[in-house]
Amino acid sequence: SQTIHQWPATLVQPVGSPLSLECTVEGTSNPNLYWYRQAAGRGLQLLFYSVGIGQISSEVPQNLSASRPQDRQFILSSKKLLLSDSGFYLCASLDTYEQYFGPGTRLTVT
Amino acid sequence: KQEVTQIPAALSVPEGENLVLNCSFTDSAIYNLQWFRQDPGKGLTSLLLIQSSQREQTSGRLNASLDKSSGRSTLYIAASQPGDSATYLCAVPIRNTDKLIFGTGTRLQVFP
Repeated sequence: SQTIHQWPATLVQPVGSPLSLECTVEGTSNPNLYWYRQAAGRGLQLLFYSVGIGQISSEVPQNLSASRPQDRQFILSSKKLLLSDSGFYLCASLDTYEQYFGPGTRLTVT
Repeated sequence: KQEVTQIPAALSVPEGENLVLNCSFTDSAIYNLQWFRQDPGKGLTSLLLIQSSQREQTSGRLNASLDKSSGRSTLYIAASQPGDSATYLCAVPIRNTDKLIFGTGTRLQVFP
């Protein structure tokens, strides 16, 4: 079965600072990978989707970007954070038809 | 456009009760439906995946059913325990993709 790692677990960053969140996957090769955001009191929103190295699809217009430099590595970035970027960020991987999630990163932008 | 709704939004019950959580979706052309559990501040744990060809799936005290024609799924929890307290989410793929649309969840509290 797959194991998904995310770090850091929590992050507090000032407005205008850069961001880099990392996700790595074990136990599979060439998975479809996803970044979701869960804002306080709201549901999960799909941000980015990747079917392979260097292949990124953005699902919503936003201040964030994603990259996939290696098969099992997925990175979420921003050049300048906004207050509205605060939330809980989850990385997920597809195994056959089932999605598995990492432990998440809690981002607070101050 | 696919929309997923979960009822009730919150539920508080005494230990030992049998529970039914509901999930409805507007586009019945799905190939599966997935139920997740989320503990506060944690990631999602996959509970059950039901393929469109199946009517139900069971795992321990959990049983999930799927009725595509009516756009509904139910998650049945037998003999609830305080450890079942969490938010339960259902999700379905967007048509012809593996990208998931999530419901807003049911927050369950089971008290001793």
